[in-house]
Order: sequence, then structure tokens, then C-alpha cells
Amino acid sequence: GAVVSQHPSRVICKSGTSVKIECRSLDFQATTMFWYRQFPKKSLMLMATSNEGSKATYEQGVEKDKFLINHASLTLSTLTVTSAHPEDSSFYICSAIIPGGRAGNEQFFGPGTRLTVL
Amino acid sequence: AQTVTQSQPEMSVQEAETVTLSCTYDTSENNYYLFWYKQPPSRQMILVIRQEAYKQQNATENRFSVNFQKAAKSFSLKISDSQLGDTAMYFCAFMKPSGGGADGLTFGKGTHLIIQP
Repeated sequence: GAVVSQHPSRVICKSGTSVKIECRSLDFQATTMFWYRQFPKKSLMLMATSNEGSKATYEQGVEKDKFLINHASLTLSTLTVTSAHPEDSSFYICSAIIPGGRAGNEQFFGPGTRLTVL
Repeated sequence: AQTVTQSQPEMSVQEAETVTLSCTYDTSENNYYLFWYKQPPSRQMILVIRQEAYKQQNATENRFSVNFQKAAKSFSLKISDSQLGDTAMYFCAFMKPSGGGADGLTFGKGTHLIIQP
């Protein structure tokens, strides 16, 4: 099956610092990856669509200067939370689809990253 | 924009019983995909079942089946012979195809399903 990994699984940082989260497709090439945010006991909210070799597309209300997304290769997308504040604390999940509409456009999810900003 | 509504925040049933989770959605699209995802305490999202809107036949995967009513924009999940391992959050999700790929998923708020021994 298609496997997506995320690193780190947990990160604690001080307010004002930047944190980078990596999302990798391990056994397939992903031209498109997605970043979601999940608050405790809440649903997942799409933050942005990450396209290899081009700029990410952000959902309304998501600050693109706060959440920097880079999709530099067909297997790696990174989300950088810049100048993190306690309200950025959340569970961040990435997903990827296999190109060409194969696998029924199923999204394969990473295990998530828990970010805590002190 | 599309919306997904799950009206049951929590449900609890006895092991081996059948349970149905409801989901309704709103969209102006004619072609789309619907999904049910399971999120256990590990928080790993697991695909339970998928339905293409152009297919009239309801999808089934072992103990899991859906009742897809396109005109009513309803997409319920039925779990038969429920097992303790089915305890999890269940999210209904909508996706619109986009060119050669797909848009991101729009999720409902989720239903916390508890299977009692």
C-alpha cells in the first residue's frame, strides 16, 4: 500500500521560534500533497494544497506567511510554522494522492505531528 | 463550497450489534467522491470505504457498507457485527476531482463511536 510518513511526530518549541514538519511519500511519487490541521476533539481542516514545483494553494483564512509550504520534490513536502505562538499548537496531518487519479483519488495520510508551543 | 454534516457527536452500541452513522452534504457538483475515515486513538486516519458519485451501487467493504442517496445528498455508514476495535472517531468526507488530481477533503465534525463489550 501507499505509505506516507511525517517527521517529527511530536515537537515542543518556544514562542517566537520556527518549526519545520516534513511529509514524505515513501513508495510512490506525489505531485500533490495536502496539509490539514486538527484541534483537540475536532475535525480536520484543510490548510493548503501543496503542488510539486509550484506555489501552494492556501485555504481562506490560512496565513501563507505564517505557514510556509515547500514541495521541492515528488516525495517531500514541508510545512514551516514561522514565529510560532501558543495558538498554533495543534495536530498537523499531511496526505498525498497517487497521480493520475489512480487508487480512486484516495488520500493516504501521514501519522500526524503534534506541535506544542510554549 | 461544499459542506459535510454529521449530526451524531457520539454513539454507543453493544458488541455484535449493527450501527448506522449518518452524514449529509451539500454541493453543486455532479461528480465527486465521498469517503468514511476512521481515526482511532493513535490518530492515524484510516480509509473505511469510498463511493464515487457516478456509481449508483452502494459500496461495501466486508462489515462496512454505505447507503448513498445522491438526490438526498445523504451518505450513511452501516457497520455490521460491530467489534471492540471499531471504537474510534468516524469522519465523513467529500472530495471534488480537480483536473488530473483532486481537491483536498472537506470533513464533517465526526462521530465518536463506542463499542461496549
